[in-house]
Amino acid sequence: GEDVEQSLFLSVREGDSSVINCTYTDSSSTYLYWYKQEPGAGLQLLTYIFSNMDMKQDQRLTVLLNKKDKHLSLRIADTQTGDSAIYFCAGDSGGYQKVTFGTGTKLQVIP
Amino acid sequence: DVKVTQSSRYLVKRTGEKVFLECVQDMDHENMFWYRQDPGLGLRLIYFSYDVKMKEKGDIPEGYSVSREKKERFSLILESASTNQTSMYLCASSLSRGGTYEQYFGPGTRLTVT
Repeated sequence: GEDVEQSLFLSVREGDSSVINCTYTDSSSTYLYWYKQEPGAGLQLLTYIFSNMDMKQDQRLTVLLNKKDKHLSLRIADTQTGDSAIYFCAGDSGGYQKVTFGTGTKLQVIP
Repeated sequence: DVKVTQSSRYLVKRTGEKVFLECVQDMDHENMFWYRQDPGLGLRLIYFSYDVKMKEKGDIPEGYSVSREKKERFSLILESASTNQTSMYLCASSLSRGGTYEQYFGPGTRLTVT
């Protein structure tokens, strides 16, 4: 099955940019996703990128996909304290709309 | 808005007890999933279901079973709870069509087995 790896922790100052990185093994994923989990809540889809795209921008969020290196990143511009959460990257594979999630990166925003 | 609800936010059970975790979704989604979330391990898929009465094992099905008698409800059963099943359990649902396979999550059940 697919493996999805992320660093566990990232700390940034409010107003700075955050970059969360992810590597994956299955190159057949159609979509790659970023989910956000706020404290005490379930995951919520933040954004996604189709596998034939290199970049997607959505307001403060920029997703970069390097298919050759199987590397996905999420950049959050002007990071706010409300962005403090755990961020999961994920890829679809295995049929039945199964999605494999990464280990999650906890983003801490320092005021 | 899609709503996925889970029967309990917190649950404390004793070793050996049979435990039922219930999940209900209100958007007529075909697919439903049970995950457990542990620090440093991310989300791991326990079981999923793509239709009523259909189920498939995920990556870590040992010690668990599931039931889906109605489309909107997916139950996770711990036949004999053990301390290593202490975890956060998340339920999710998704459509079988429409392009992206966005999953909608419930708030989670934090289960402690003592």
